[in-house]
Order: sequence, then structure tokens, then C-alpha cells
Amino acid sequence: GDSVTQMEGPVTLSEEAFLTINCTYTATGYPSLFWYVQYPGEGLQLLLKATKADDKGSNKGFEATYRKETTSFHLEKGSVQVSDSAVYFCALSESNTGNQFYFGTGTSLTVIP
Amino acid sequence: GAVVSQHPSWVICKSGTSVKIECRSLDFQATTMFWYRQFPKQSLMLMATSNEGSKATYEQGVEKDKFLINHASLTLSTLTVTSAHPEDSSFYICSAWDFGTDTQYFGPGTRLTVL
Repeated sequence: GDSVTQMEGPVTLSEEAFLTINCTYTATGYPSLFWYVQYPGEGLQLLLKATKADDKGSNKGFEATYRKETTSFHLEKGSVQVSDSAVYFCALSESNTGNQFYFGTGTSLTVIP
Repeated sequence: GAVVSQHPSWVICKSGTSVKIECRSLDFQATTMFWYRQFPKQSLMLMATSNEGSKATYEQGVEKDKFLINHASLTLSTLTVTSAHPEDSSFYICSAWDFGTDTQYFGPGTRLTVL
């Protein structure tokens, strides 16, 4: 079945440090891949997505590239800010249209000044 | 952008009572909504798929008689936890798919505590 494996946290970084959160997936078909962010006390917000191999999703300085050969979708940001502190979830959906999502366990990121 | 709301955001109830959680799509119609459960420091696990006008589809291991789902309109799905017990304490999150933007939107979640 489909599944997502995500780097465990928590991760603590200093402001302006480089961020990588690893995510690998297992899927039977050709899934779309997503990164969601959950700020304290709030719901999940879509951060970025990629719908096919070699696509790069990007938003707010975050990037992730859909790598079919390594079944990965690692999240990166060149310079994190305190406001990036949140929990990040990698997820996949077999279709970009209305199917269920499979989530990783989430990675908590704390950025200190 | 599109918003999905949940009500209540936080509820405490006594063991044996029932609790209803509402999930609404505020500016789009959703024929399909999903209900997830999130335990502390764990990921979201799909409980059921809610389809407007038909019975919900439950994931393996989820008791359909305990977690009643009703998707009576294109903007509202409800999850009722019947005869709640402390082990039902969790964070419940719904999502709804917006056909117009081809995007799934997640609600802010409802924290249920059963005493």
C-alpha cells in the first residue's frame, strides 16, 4: 500500500541556517506529492506540491523536487526564519483530484534567533 | 482562498456521552470530505471518506457504529463519536476537496478530550 516515511524530529536550527527535511514514499501508481505545514494551534496549510516526476514545487522560499528514481520529495530552504517554526508533513495522494492523503509522521522545526 | 471550518475547536465530555463535530466548506461545494485522526506527535490517519448523499466509506479498523458520519449537504459533513471513552481522546481533522481549484483544504481540527 501507499505510505510516506519522513525524517523524525524535532529539528532545531538557528536563524538563517539551511533546512532539509527528508521524505520518501511508496506508492502503487503515480502519486502527487505535497508538503503541508501546521503552525501551533492551526490547521494544515498546503506549502507546496508536485504532480509528476521532476516537478519542483516551491513557495515562501521552500522547495522540493519530485524524484521518481529515489522515490523522494525532500523539503529544503536556504535560510530559515523564526516564523518558519512549525510542524511539517509530507504527504501523497494517488490522484490530484479528491483522493485520500497519506501522511508522514510530521517533523517539528524550531528556529531560534 | 477556500476555507474549511470545524466546530467545535475543542470539546471535553464525560465518558459514555456522544459528541458531534461539524466540518464545513465555507466558499465551495465539496462532494467528498475526509475525516482524519491525529494522535499526539503522530501523523494523520484516515478514518473515513464522506460522500454527499451516500454512506461513508470507513478504513479498516474504524468502527462505523462508533464514528457516525453524515454528509447531508455539499458544504457540511458531521462526525459523531458515540459513547465516547477516554481512548477516543484525539485531534480530529477534516478535509474537503475543491473541484474548482483542484485542491484539498484541511480544517483547523477539533481536539476531543473524554474524561
